[in-house]
Amino acid sequence: SQQGEEDPQALSIQEGENATMNCSYKTSINNLQWYRQNSGRGLVHLILIRSNEREKHSGRLRVTLDTSKKSSSLLITASRAADTASYFCATVHNAGGTSYGKLTFGQGTILTVHP
Amino acid sequence: NAGVTQTPKFQVLKTGQSMTLQCAQDMNHNSMYWYRQDPGMGLRLIYYSASEGTTDKGEVPNGYNVSRLNKREFSLRLESAAPSQTSVYFCASRQGQSLSYEQYFGPGTRLTVT
Repeated sequence: SQQGEEDPQALSIQEGENATMNCSYKTSINNLQWYRQNSGRGLVHLILIRSNEREKHSGRLRVTLDTSKKSSSLLITASRAADTASYFCATVHNAGGTSYGKLTFGQGTILTVHP
Repeated sequence: NAGVTQTPKFQVLKTGQSMTLQCAQDMNHNSMYWYRQDPGMGLRLIYYSASEGTTDKGEVPNGYNVSRLNKREFSLRLESAAPSQTSVYFCASRQGQSLSYEQYFGPGTRLTVT
């Protein structure tokens, strides 16, 4: 079963606006990662936030993590048409042995940025 | 440096046919993964290989087998394809043992089973 749930499922904004996507998960994590997928392409890693971090920035991206609420958000500031893509959160859990490193994905948010 | 490559890009099979999806990475990564992505859904893990010589089942392993041929290559085999296996298949790799490494994805194989 999917670990994460993302909302909204789809987001449509104008260029220059900010886009916020949310992700919730069910069990404790080691870290949470955000990936981007352009239509018909593979996923590209955007940012990783560890369970002991609350906020992280990378360029126009800002990620927050609230482990008490088991939720994360991705903010894209000053969006561009080229940001149009699907965005997925994925969690890594603290399981040991050979199971570590596995990503459990949410269903994704489809972001459309209109020029 | 090509990253993660997958072949073929597209494939159409009839029910009951078999095929092998190939994946290779040139980043000297230890771990490799196979996922499937169905319309409107995130990726689900089929099998993974934490290191050369080991493989383990993921969330949806039924109907699939894998081989970690060497450190570079990780193949996924469908022995008897079913329409339910129509999907886009992604291979990924990850550098090392730390949990804090990201995964690098291939471009995907779009498989249709009729």
